[in-house]
Amino acid sequence: GAGVSQTPSNKVTEKGKYVELRCDPISGHTALYWYRQSLGQGPEFLIYFQGTGAADDSGLPNDRFFAVRPEGSVSTLKIQRTERGDSAMYLCASSSGANEKLFFGSGTQLSVL
Amino acid sequence: GESVGLHLPTLSVQEGDNSIINCAYSNSASDYFIWYKQESGKGPQFIIDIRSNMDKRQGQRVTVLLNKTVKHLSLQIAATQPGDSAVYFCAETFSGYALNFGKGTSLLVTP
Repeated sequence: GAGVSQTPSNKVTEKGKYVELRCDPISGHTALYWYRQSLGQGPEFLIYFQGTGAADDSGLPNDRFFAVRPEGSVSTLKIQRTERGDSAMYLCASSSGANEKLFFGSGTQLSVL
Repeated sequence: GESVGLHLPTLSVQEGDNSIINCAYSNSASDYFIWYKQESGKGPQFIIDIRSNMDKRQGQRVTVLLNKTVKHLSLQIAATQPGDSAVYFCAETFSGYALNFGKGTSLLVTP
């Protein structure tokens, strides 16, 4: 596609529910990233995929967070048993490889009530 | 301009003036630096990047300066326009993939 696409743009859920956030990267980009941004802060790294595998998931805050990229293109970030503290903007980015420009999507604004 | 600190700094400039946004980074091993612009409700938009083997790079109306000695990065915007109003983030990496973002500087362009 022309740019990184993220769906939904907004997600409101209740505490304890499960959510999935989708990212469709730029066509041909092998590297995909998830970041989380709280209000007034810069984005924080969550996980990096090179192809289908998670090359670095050290930024995931705990085991309620999980991400997959089964075919090396679309990725899904999954959050179990959501907590109010999970409320944030979740950003996806892709690049043609490591150490190349990251292009970000418009994000999914997650609100946990 | 002001360096990134604990509170989001704000830079107010008049339309047509030049803007300078500063950023201090902490990791001397970082070798790739990027400036992003973020408008409200949108994702960060790539502006310009620079690698550690350079100290200056120019784009369209923008220039990035890198001073590795004092671990300082700056973004200069020439002839600032109202459309430049946004939050600007510097980001650095030594891993090649995990960007460390500063807190950002809010640029407000007044007519």
